[in-house]
Amino acid sequence: GQQLNQSPQSMFIQEGEDVSMNCTSSSIFNTWLWYKQDPGEGPVLLIALYKAGELTSNGRLTAQFGITRKDSFLNISASIPSDVGIYFCAGQYYMDSNYQLIWGAGTKLIIKP
Amino acid sequence: EAGVAQSPRYKIIEKRQSVAFWCNPISGHATLYWYQQILGQGPKLLIQFQNNGVVDDSQLPKDRFSAERLKGVDSTLKIQPAKLEDSAVYLCASSINRGLYGTEAFFGQGTRLTVV
Repeated sequence: GQQLNQSPQSMFIQEGEDVSMNCTSSSIFNTWLWYKQDPGEGPVLLIALYKAGELTSNGRLTAQFGITRKDSFLNISASIPSDVGIYFCAGQYYMDSNYQLIWGAGTKLIIKP
Repeated sequence: EAGVAQSPRYKIIEKRQSVAFWCNPISGHATLYWYQQILGQGPKLLIQFQNNGVVDDSQLPKDRFSAERLKGVDSTLKIQPAKLEDSAVYLCASSINRGLYGTEAFFGQGTRLTVV
């Protein structure tokens, strides 16, 4: 079945540093979605990518849909304390007349004081 | 626009008891999902509805879990009887079909279930 490899599993960074995480798969996806989850909350959609090669920004966040449609990355520039949380990628493909979502295992972002 | 509403936020039950969770999706969203999220893991799809029909329940433990969306709007997820390993956060999400562009799922806050 479809699988996503999300890396890194966790990141310890200093405030102000840039962050990069990615998701790869051997399968092709129609859409890539990036979510952030804070403790005790549901995931919140950050960025949605619809076309291969697409580069989309949302404030300090930038995400790209890989040209092969098998990968995506998320960058966060100049990290701040509220960026702490778990980031999930999700790849979407169309099958049996419905869209299926496959989730990465998450990247936990921790900012060192 | 109101988000996805879930209740309760927290529930503690003893093993072998039953429990039910409720979800009201974003207005107009035809697709509704129930996910189980174990601490430290990504969400795992339990069941996906399109309006009031089930489109994917392949990972739903049907011997103890059931879900319904009778009028194609709100939904309930039930566990009966609960096991210790059912302790998790149960997330409800909804989405609208964007045709070729797929869907964007929006999540509720989740229900944290603890089975003791």
